[in-house]
Amino acid sequence: DTEVTQTPKHLVMGMTNKKSLKCEQHMGHRAMYWYKQKAKKPPELMFVYSYEKLSINESVPSRFSPECPNSSLLNLHLHALQPEDSALYLCASSQDFGGGWQYFGPGTRLTVT
Amino acid sequence: GENVEQHPSTLSVQEGDSAVIKCTYSDSASNYFPWYKQELGKGPQLIIDIRSNVGEKKDQRIAVTLNKTAKHFSLHITETQPEDSAVYFCAASNNAGNMLTFGGGTRLMVKP
Repeated sequence: DTEVTQTPKHLVMGMTNKKSLKCEQHMGHRAMYWYKQKAKKPPELMFVYSYEKLSINESVPSRFSPECPNSSLLNLHLHALQPEDSALYLCASSQDFGGGWQYFGPGTRLTVT
Repeated sequence: GENVEQHPSTLSVQEGDSAVIKCTYSDSASNYFPWYKQELGKGPQLIIDIRSNVGEKKDQRIAVTLNKTAKHFSLHITETQPEDSAVYFCAASNNAGNMLTFGGGTRLMVKP
């Protein structure tokens, strides 16, 4: 199974809402990533978890809060977002951080109104 | 940090023709170069990768070449098909799976 799944596929939220994005993989990968992708742009790294610990935070605003409950799951909690946060949010995983290529999920299309 | 430039930004070819996408990188420590294909509404999918100890790698209609001296690498697609139409991203990393620096992307359109 070489699949990374993400839910929901689409999400529309208001600026005062709280919502969460979910990502799951069952490949035994120990590194998981959140990326943000704007239209016609490459993915931008937001966070990296390695062995369930946050390894990298690319200076992401605190209105984005990642969580890694276990080695298979990765969440991204959203609160008080701005319209400019509307984007495709991609999750990826790799065998280790620095060992093996990254597999991407299909993404969650987020619209902030 | 690493900087990856990708050209062209759009490429239109006739079905059956070849397509070439080129990338340059700045950090000589980069040693892993994957290529991703992203179809509309989907996440990027790894299609081929190359490490710095190899000059060329082929997988059916897809090949990647690497020139470490000049710090550039290229994706070659032969006998293009309409299903090859997508956005292609090159990337560089100083270790497989490590932080990837992406190029700006190339929108490939294959006309039937």
